[in-house]
Amino acid sequence: AQSVAQPEDQVNVAEGNPLTVKCTYSVSGNPYLFWYVQYPNRGLQFLLKYITGDNLVKGSYGFEAEFNKSQTSFHLKKPSALVSDSALYFCAVRDRGSGNTGKLIFGQGTTLQVKP
Amino acid sequence: DAGITQSPRHKVTETGTPVTLRCHQTENHRYMYWYRQDPGHGLRLIHYSYGVKDTDKGEVSDGYSVSRSKTEDFLLTLESATSSQTSVYFCAISEDSHSTDTQYFGPGTRLTVL
Repeated sequence: AQSVAQPEDQVNVAEGNPLTVKCTYSVSGNPYLFWYVQYPNRGLQFLLKYITGDNLVKGSYGFEAEFNKSQTSFHLKKPSALVSDSALYFCAVRDRGSGNTGKLIFGQGTTLQVKP
Repeated sequence: DAGITQSPRHKVTETGTPVTLRCHQTENHRYMYWYRQDPGHGLRLIHYSYGVKDTDKGEVSDGYSVSRSKTEDFLLTLESATSSQTSVYFCAISEDSHSTDTQYFGPGTRLTVL
């Protein structure tokens, strides 16, 4: 079965420091991986996705993610955190075992707190 | 938010009452999804639709039904609401179900069942 794990419920980082939000996955076949961000009382916003090719994927708002096949990880990174990056982050993998649904399987989410 | 609206945005109801949530899109996308978000569970798929009048169940479909009579509208109905259905409900759309397609989400509906 496909699954996604976000091992940290919360990540705290000081403004200006680099940030990493971790995600590991378990899929059969090639993984299609996504990161979303949810600001308070808002829907999920798409940040970036990995389909194939370069292991470093660049996305919105200065975020990037590194795909590592040997470690089955897809960690979200940003070189310099902003207070406005404080939000709930979700990693997701496309479920390729359920026919044609296009369903996403989500991790439980990681709260990022950036302190001034 | 990618041309997706949800209504109502907030609703408080009592156990046993029927509730209908609406998702409306202006993108003419074929696929529409209903997820629920609960702490510690991320988002879980309730139902999805792959075209007008074409729907199927997700992983947590018990107690929910859906209908799609027009491309732009996808309705989620709780026939008899229970407290376990207190949650935040998100609609999502995608152009197709290809693995590379991105799903875009609406703003959500916060439902409280007393």
